Amino acid sequence: LAKTTQPISMDSYEGQEVNITCSHNNIATNDYITWYQQFPSQGPRFIIQGYKTKVTNEVASLFIPADRKSSTLSLPRVSLSDTAVYYCLVGGWGSQGNLIFGKGTKLSVKP
Amino acid sequence: KAGVTQTPRYLIKTRGQQVTLSCSPISGHRSVSWYQQTPGQGLQFLFEYFSETQRNKGNFPGRFSGRQFSNSRSEMNVSTLELGDSALYLCASSLGRGNTEAFFGQGTRLTVV
Repeated sequence: LAKTTQPISMDSYEGQEVNITCSHNNIATNDYITWYQQFPSQGPRFIIQGYKTKVTNEVASLFIPADRKSSTLSLPRVSLSDTAVYYCLVGGWGSQGNLIFGKGTKLSVKP
Repeated sequence: KAGVTQTPRYLIKTRGQQVTLSCSPISGHRSVSWYQQTPGQGLQFLFEYFSETQRNKGNFPGRFSGRQFSNSRSEMNVSTLELGDSALYLCASSLGRGNTEAFFGQGTRLTVV
């Protein structure tokens, strides 16, 4: 599975848009990009997944450039409850049972 | 539908003992994976079971083992516990095919003293 690189931490304020970028230079042709969110002492929670261009759901957007060597998770108008660790993962078809987590990005949202 | 259930939530064991953790996946999910999370190493993949067969295995010693039953419930066993085994153990279930998301349980917090 491709290795990912993310910022260790980010700070934001309530109401702002937060963009977390993940680098995955060795992504394979059949790899998907998935983001998970984790609160302390809880299991990670799926946020969004994409292969190319842009994907949007009710909580986030995922932007993937044409070369797919990076991706950006966008969280619109964050609140205090969005304070968590965000993980970017890449993996191929059927790899959801064997997830390789990096260090993740600790997002702190301040009032 | 009910989520992934892990039991027990908390456990305290003594060095040298063994422990068994249980995971009940979401109904219909055939893949169950186990992960260890520690402050120093982060989230690390232990193994994955699919239809009662181990399909993937992480880089952990043989003291860590698991199994999956015909109803997809899974158990993880750690023998000869060491202090370094203290961690949050997470179970995740998924359909196991295609690129569907994995659903995690709340974990079992194991403390080895």
